[in-house]
Amino acid sequence: GEDVEQSLFLSVREGDSSVINCTYTDSSSTYLYWYKQEPGAGLQLLTYIFSNMDMKQDQRLTVLLNKKDKHLSLRIADTQTGDSAIYFCAVPSYGGSQGNLIFGKGTKLSVKP
Amino acid sequence: EAGVVQSPRYKIIEKKQPVAFWCNPISGHNTLYWYRQNLGQGPELLIRYENEEAVDDSQLPKDRFSAERLKGVDSTLKIQPAELGDSAVYLCASSSRLAGVYEQYFGPGTRLTVT
Repeated sequence: GEDVEQSLFLSVREGDSSVINCTYTDSSSTYLYWYKQEPGAGLQLLTYIFSNMDMKQDQRLTVLLNKKDKHLSLRIADTQTGDSAIYFCAVPSYGGSQGNLIFGKGTKLSVKP
Repeated sequence: EAGVVQSPRYKIIEKKQPVAFWCNPISGHNTLYWYRQNLGQGPELLIRYENEEAVDDSQLPKDRFSAERLKGVDSTLKIQPAELGDSAVYLCASSSRLAGVYEQYFGPGTRLTVT
């Protein structure tokens, strides 16, 4: 089945850029998603990218997709302490509905002042 | 616009007891999902509804878990009897499909502790 891998931790200083990486195994996905989870809360959709795109920019967020290597990344520019959270990469399950998402284990981003 | 509402937020029960979780999705969202999130893990899909029909319940442990979505709006997820390994956060999400994009909106979750 589909497998989504992320590094578990990332620590940056306030004002620096953060880059969170994700690799996945299946190539039939049409849209790939990034979610954010703050402590005690549900997941919040941050952004998504269509699989025929290489890059998508949305304010401080930049998503890069390398479809050949099945690698997805999320860059947060000018990282703030409020960006501290767990970030999840999610891709549709292989052979299933595009609405059935497989999530990575999440990358915990810590932003130091 | 109100978000996805879940209740209760927290539940502590003894093993072998039953428990139920309730979800009210965003108005107009036809698709409803139940996920389980274990500590340190990403959410795992348990069941997906399109209106009142369960279209994917392959990951739902049917010997003890059941779900329903009456009239295609609210949904209830039940566990009977609960086991220690069921301790987790149960998340409900809803979405509408726009041009192939499933923007899922999540509720705050119900944290279940089984003792």
